[in-house]
Amino acid sequence: ETGVTQTPRHLVMGMTNKKSLKCEQHLGHNAMYWYKQSAKKPLELMFVYNFKEQTENNSVPSRFSPECPNSSHLFLHLHTLQPEDSALYLCASSIGQANTEAFFGQGTRLTVV
Amino acid sequence: QKEVEQDPGPLSVPEGAIVSLNCTYSNSAFQYFMWYRQYSRKGPELLMYTYSSGNKEDGRFTAQVDKSSKYISLFIRDSQPSDSATYLCAMSANLTGGGNKLTFGTGTQLKVEL
Repeated sequence: ETGVTQTPRHLVMGMTNKKSLKCEQHLGHNAMYWYKQSAKKPLELMFVYNFKEQTENNSVPSRFSPECPNSSHLFLHLHTLQPEDSALYLCASSIGQANTEAFFGQGTRLTVV
Repeated sequence: QKEVEQDPGPLSVPEGAIVSLNCTYSNSAFQYFMWYRQYSRKGPELLMYTYSSGNKEDGRFTAQVDKSSKYISLFIRDSQPSDSATYLCAMSANLTGGGNKLTFGTGTQLKVEL
């Protein structure tokens, strides 16, 4: 285990559903990230939080809404997703935003039907 | 042109072989270079981390960076079936506003066969 825990591990949702992904890190890190991993594509950075403040939104559609209540927890709220949003969603953390050594969680495998 | 190019494989080698995994990149501002290993149904785990050009060795793994050619490599000696995974290269540069942003390759799927 890397110290970054994601729940749920698997999620199947309809296009009209609302669901949330949760990430928790026990490493004392101050920066947290959401990445999307699709087959045959590089990891895509979605959002960056540093000391609970969002510092980057990588042109992500508004149907993905992040929330960072504190430095240890990160959520990704999902609403009216499309089938092409099906992917592995990975949470990561690092000591600070300037630190490049990111530790990843196991990911949530999302399927939109 | 992608910022980071990586052959997706799959690459299949016999146990004990030397494996060479490579990435090329186009952004000359990249200074930090990493290799992540990702097992099936798991998140990526950091394997090697290097700054600027040169070699770094850790056990059976050697990371090599050639900034003049914009080319990085990961060598695995005496490969084992447990090395079967997807290997992702990643790199970053300092952003003008502070912080770093990782750019990943697509990953190379490696299978080490008995």
